[in-house]
Amino acid sequence: NAGVTQTPKFQVLKTGQSMTLQCAQDMNHNSMYWYRQDPGMGLRLIYYSASEGTTDKGEVPNGYNVSRLNKREFSLRLESAAPSQTSVYFCASTGQLANYGYTFGSGTRLTVV
Amino acid sequence: GQSLEQPSEVTAVEGAIVQINCTYQTSGFYGLSWYQQHDGGAPTFLSYNALDGLEETGRFSSFLSRSDSYGYLLLQELQMKDSASYFCAVRIPGANNLFFGTGTRLTVIP
Repeated sequence: NAGVTQTPKFQVLKTGQSMTLQCAQDMNHNSMYWYRQDPGMGLRLIYYSASEGTTDKGEVPNGYNVSRLNKREFSLRLESAAPSQTSVYFCASTGQLANYGYTFGSGTRLTVV
Repeated sequence: GQSLEQPSEVTAVEGAIVQINCTYQTSGFYGLSWYQQHDGGAPTFLSYNALDGLEETGRFSSFLSRSDSYGYLLLQELQMKDSASYFCAVRIPGANNLFFGTGTRLTVIP
């Protein structure tokens, strides 16, 4: 049981380049999320998808786009990377559980130079 | 907006008990969660409190007081492997996501 799988694990981009972070879960969860984590700032929500076919902005959506390709997959795209997007990105998912526990992927460490 | 406050750092001795506090100011409230994150790793779910009181899971317990907008995570019989960051997070009505605090870095010393 893989849980939540993110690719790539590490990436270095030049300013202005684009890239897509991939996320897939095999737990049949409805809801999926993209967070970024910066030192001293905790986890901040970029976008989320409550169910297949829907996406919504979170706290820090500027500079990002998302696609909920199907129930399993939720990708995050940076169209024109900026140094301010240097961060660790986590994908997470949850089912309709009473405890609402998230399962996180292992993260993508992105550096924009 | 939502606001969660936790201490930034806590140090405790191996074998001891430590309490990590979390106070929150939110527009509505469903429940309080706790997550553990080791350096370089992903956050992992520890507990969730929707009602007042203490929830116990092995060496870890979590407490909630809705009237005080306050909760804590209690770690007993500390082990070196408990050195990690701990995040509280709230779930609020109308939002399909969790809002996370900035985290408390726990260092366990021999």
